[in-house]
Amino acid sequence: DTEVTQTPKHLVMGMTNKKSLKCEQHMGHRAMYWYKQKAKKPPELMFVYSYEKLSINESVPSRFSPECPNSSLLNLHLHALQPEDSALYLCASSQVRQAGRSGNTIYFGEGSWLTVV
Amino acid sequence: GDSVTQMEGPVTLSEEAFLTINCTYTATGYPSLFWYVQYPGEGLQLLLKATKADDKGSNKGFEATYRKETTSFHLEKGSVQVSDSAVYFCALHNFGNEKLTFGTGTRLTIIP
Repeated sequence: DTEVTQTPKHLVMGMTNKKSLKCEQHMGHRAMYWYKQKAKKPPELMFVYSYEKLSINESVPSRFSPECPNSSLLNLHLHALQPEDSALYLCASSQVRQAGRSGNTIYFGEGSWLTVV
Repeated sequence: GDSVTQMEGPVTLSEEAFLTINCTYTATGYPSLFWYVQYPGEGLQLLLKATKADDKGSNKGFEATYRKETTSFHLEKGSVQVSDSAVYFCALHNFGNEKLTFGTGTRLTIIP
């Protein structure tokens, strides 16, 4: 089973709202990721969690707040977003990269389509 | 740093035509190489992968061979179907980098 589940699939929120995107995987992966994808562009990395600890923040604005409550769950808390934050948000997971070994396969979810109005 | 250069699209082919989407990369060491596919309105699905030189990844009739001498990972399919219409992303994951490096994507449209 190579499934990453994301909810909700669609979200419309106002600029003053607080909402969350949720992601779950049961593949035993200990690395989880948030990516942002704008139309006709490749995904861009936002955050990486390794063993439930934040290991990479790609200079993402603080209005995006990630959380990894346990090894299976990853959340992205949203607050005071701007219309330009409207995009597809993709969660992904993989085995943790081991030193001296080539990259692991990263599995993506179906994404959450976010519209900020 | 690592980079992936992918064939510019969009690409339009007739059903049953032969498909090639070119992908070349720049990276130190021995990265793993991937092709992901994104159908309209959906997330990314792993199509195939190769983890070392001369490996051939294959899935759903698609194939790609990891060519270290030409730093390439071209995607091929012998006979495309309308259902193959999607955006295809070439990507690499290097052991010195947590980030998956993507190409720009190639939009493929197959007409009946």
